[in-house]
Amino acid sequence: GAGVSQSPSNKVTEKGKDVELRCDPISGHTALYWYRQSLGQGLEFLIYFQGNSAPDKSGLPSDRFSAERTGGSVSTLTIQRTQQEDSAVYLCASSLGVTGGTGELFFGEGSRLTVL
Amino acid sequence: AQSVAQPEDQVNVAEGNPLTVKCTYSVSGNPYLFWYVQYPNRGLQFLLKYITGDNLVKGSYGFEAEFNKSQTSFHLKKPSALVSDSALYFCAVRDESGGSYIPTFGRGTSLIVHP
Repeated sequence: GAGVSQSPSNKVTEKGKDVELRCDPISGHTALYWYRQSLGQGLEFLIYFQGNSAPDKSGLPSDRFSAERTGGSVSTLTIQRTQQEDSAVYLCASSLGVTGGTGELFFGEGSRLTVL
Repeated sequence: AQSVAQPEDQVNVAEGNPLTVKCTYSVSGNPYLFWYVQYPNRGLQFLLKYITGDNLVKGSYGFEAEFNKSQTSFHLKKPSALVSDSALYFCAVRDESGGSYIPTFGRGTSLIVHP
């Protein structure tokens, strides 16, 4: 596609349930990022993938959060046993990464997660 | 370590007046600096960046930003604001020398342009 695609756009779940959020980056972009945006908190870095290298997971807030990127393209962010504090907008972005470009990110429109 | 600060949660300006949205940064090496804009219920859109060269950078929608190394600032400016400029603006920094491709974002500044 022309841009970064995220699904679902909205997800309402009950506390304790698992959720999966999907990101389809721009074709040819080797770098993929997940950020979390909470009201008044700006963007919080979660995880970074670059090509086939091991991901940088330093931003994941707990072991309930995990992410994978299959075939160097689509990524899935999984949150297990969701808590109310997980409610936020989850933003995915991609960039040319180390293969070129000077680092600007291209963002999807986000997945809004509400945990009841 | 890298960090960025946007000291104003909100900026109010009248349409037609000049606007400034402030950003200061901290990095160990040389900075790559970025501005993004977020319209309601949308993702972030890239506006402009400073990598090297001229301190005054021009970007989309008539915006520009000035890199000031001595003040470690990268303020976003526009000579004449439009109501349609009302949005949330994020400054971001990445340390060019750190080998990391992960930018750090500020908390965002809400720009409100009054008719």
